[in-house]
Amino acid sequence: DVKVTQSSRYLVKRTGEKVFLECVQDMDHENMFWYRQDPGLGLRLIYFSYDVKMKEKGDIPEGYSVSREKKERFSLILESASTNQTSMYLCASSRRQYQETQYFGPGTRLLVL
Amino acid sequence: SQELEQSPQSLIVQEGKNLTINCTSSKTLYGLYWYKQKYGEGLIFLMMLQKGGEEKSHEKITAKLDEKKQQSSLHITASQPSHAGIYLCGAPPSPGNTGKLIFGQGTTLQVKP
Repeated sequence: DVKVTQSSRYLVKRTGEKVFLECVQDMDHENMFWYRQDPGLGLRLIYFSYDVKMKEKGDIPEGYSVSREKKERFSLILESASTNQTSMYLCASSRRQYQETQYFGPGTRLLVL
Repeated sequence: SQELEQSPQSLIVQEGKNLTINCTSSKTLYGLYWYKQKYGEGLIFLMMLQKGGEEKSHEKITAKLDEKKQQSSLHITASQPSHAGIYLCGAPPSPGNTGKLIFGQGTTLQVKP
């Protein structure tokens, strides 16, 4: 079974803090994704990586950066957390081939005070 | 850009009743994925449809993609409390796209015992 894990299920941070969210997958997938999920807005893609050290901006990259130093690990960084970044963050991975299913982690619920 | 619209946004049904959730695309669909999410957790892959007119079933859940490939429906027969959750449809934003998906805003299903 594909397994995608995220470092924390719940996180509380203060405005201005630097926040790291970690995601690890164990299926040697090329693609990895970070989404945020907000009520009524569905999932919105923040960043996407299709290979080690490669990244591509999604629909809402402002205020975020990412790092992919190893194939299995994809980190999302909030450089200076703000209250409007309070959200559910979901990581996913997939093979690079066309129409491959994305597999999701359990999510991290982040509260920025 | 392509958008996916789900209807209804939320649904409350009595246990044992049938229900249908729709996902309508603003453009031709090049594949359609259905996921289920329990509250506060990650997404679980249900089914993927590729061809116009295709229909797939798993246990009591049936998904169809219409002939024109612009709408998909998810039908649950004899609903149970275990079917409760958020159902999301996702689709590649363009043909040949290797990995990215856009998502509908989700349909929240409650099943009353």
